[in-house]
Amino acid sequence: KNEVEQSPQNLTAQEGEFITINCSYSVGISALHWLQQHPGGGIVSLFMLSSGKKKHGRLIATINIQEKHSSLHITASHPRDSAVYICAVRSIEDSNYQLIWGAGTKLIIKP
Amino acid sequence: DTEVTQTPKHLVMGMTNKKSLKCEQHMGHRAMYWYKQKAKKPPELMFVYSYEKLSINESVPSRFSPECPNSSLLNLHLHALQPEDSALYLCASSQSGGNQPQHFGDGTRLSIL
Repeated sequence: KNEVEQSPQNLTAQEGEFITINCSYSVGISALHWLQQHPGGGIVSLFMLSSGKKKHGRLIATINIQEKHSSLHITASHPRDSAVYICAVRSIEDSNYQLIWGAGTKLIIKP
Repeated sequence: DTEVTQTPKHLVMGMTNKKSLKCEQHMGHRAMYWYKQKAKKPPELMFVYSYEKLSINESVPSRFSPECPNSSLLNLHLHALQPEDSALYLCASSQSGGNQPQHFGDGTRLSIL
């Protein structure tokens, strides 16, 4: 069983829909990251969370430490949101530099 | 535009060639990372430099040789690579270790003939 699991693996939606991507993890963590990777390859760090909720524009990330679960929400989705969204955690057991990565969720938003 | 700049964007090389990948950041970050990413897989950590010293080497073959000439630059020297080394190589930086977000470059797409 992977230490970080994301669902769904693939998601196709229409422009304007509300999007939710889920991340569950099995280790104790000091932080959870949500990242975005476009087909060109570059990765953008969207959020780093250790508790609660963060919002940036149309993106919202939440984390429930007790349930070891985080969600990434996109409101009013747009075709430019099409990308792979990756959840990664920093385990409290590992070194300060290691991230444990989820497999990613490929999101396609159709116009 | 990313704040971490990687060059070249694409590289095709033969197995006997020697080439280098370059990464530069001017955010004052003191930790820099090399990752390897195969298609449809998450990035795999290769090396970490912290304060210009190699902190982590994730059992990477010696045909990959990292170098950190100063706090802004990170190189990855390549020699005698194998076809399975074809991948996207990503550089990242963060303010230090610990719980700091990593800033990624756009990557170098490497193909080994």
